[in-house]
Amino acid sequence: QQPVQSPQAVILREGEDAVINCSSSKALYSVHWYRQKHGEAPVFLMILLKGGEQKGHDKISASFNEKKQQSSLYLTASQLSYSGTYFCGTAPTLWGGAQKLVFGQGTRLTINP
Amino acid sequence: NAGVTQTPKFRILKIGQSMTLQCTQDMNHNYMYWYRQDPGMGLKLIYYSVGAGITDKGEVPNGYNVSRSTTEDFPLRLELAAPSQTSVYFCASSPTGDSGNTIYFGEGSWLTVV
Repeated sequence: QQPVQSPQAVILREGEDAVINCSSSKALYSVHWYRQKHGEAPVFLMILLKGGEQKGHDKISASFNEKKQQSSLYLTASQLSYSGTYFCGTAPTLWGGAQKLVFGQGTRLTINP
Repeated sequence: NAGVTQTPKFRILKIGQSMTLQCTQDMNHNYMYWYRQDPGMGLKLIYYSVGAGITDKGEVPNGYNVSRSTTEDFPLRLELAAPSQTSVYFCASSPTGDSGNTIYFGEGSWLTVV
């Protein structure tokens, strides 16, 4: 089953914060986050693995709550360069391959000056 | 380091025509994938390969074929193109088969079937 992302779209002013959620009806082992600019390929942001960890770099971080089967991506003090569509991809197990990854429908983030 | 390279970038096909999308990677990855992305939607897996000579179907394989004769190349063949195959196609690769590994995407191929 495809994970559900919320919100579907969000518009912010530069410097504001955003949270994007990714929820699954299945137990999860890993959650991938990617950002895609219009007309370009998805670019890897981070992977979170089972264990409820939190990751981050710069002003983008994410958490993974395996009990709730959901992950959240946090963007703080957003910059214009953060604009794009954010996708989560979820996998129920470690093995079985990345081909088991199922992607959400995406969250469109627009940052205005 | 080129990563994952796809050609062509843009193509218009007539209904019933066939074509091959080329994909090559120079990272010596065993795992390769083809996804399609319809407007406003997420990525759907078409086919994948776990190594040269081994391929398998993904979520939406109908109307497509693949082959993997070398580690580097993973072409996607569209037979008898239909308007429903109008989409953006992404080739991708990963070093191993576990879901904790990064997937590296190519730049995409925009295909329109008219």
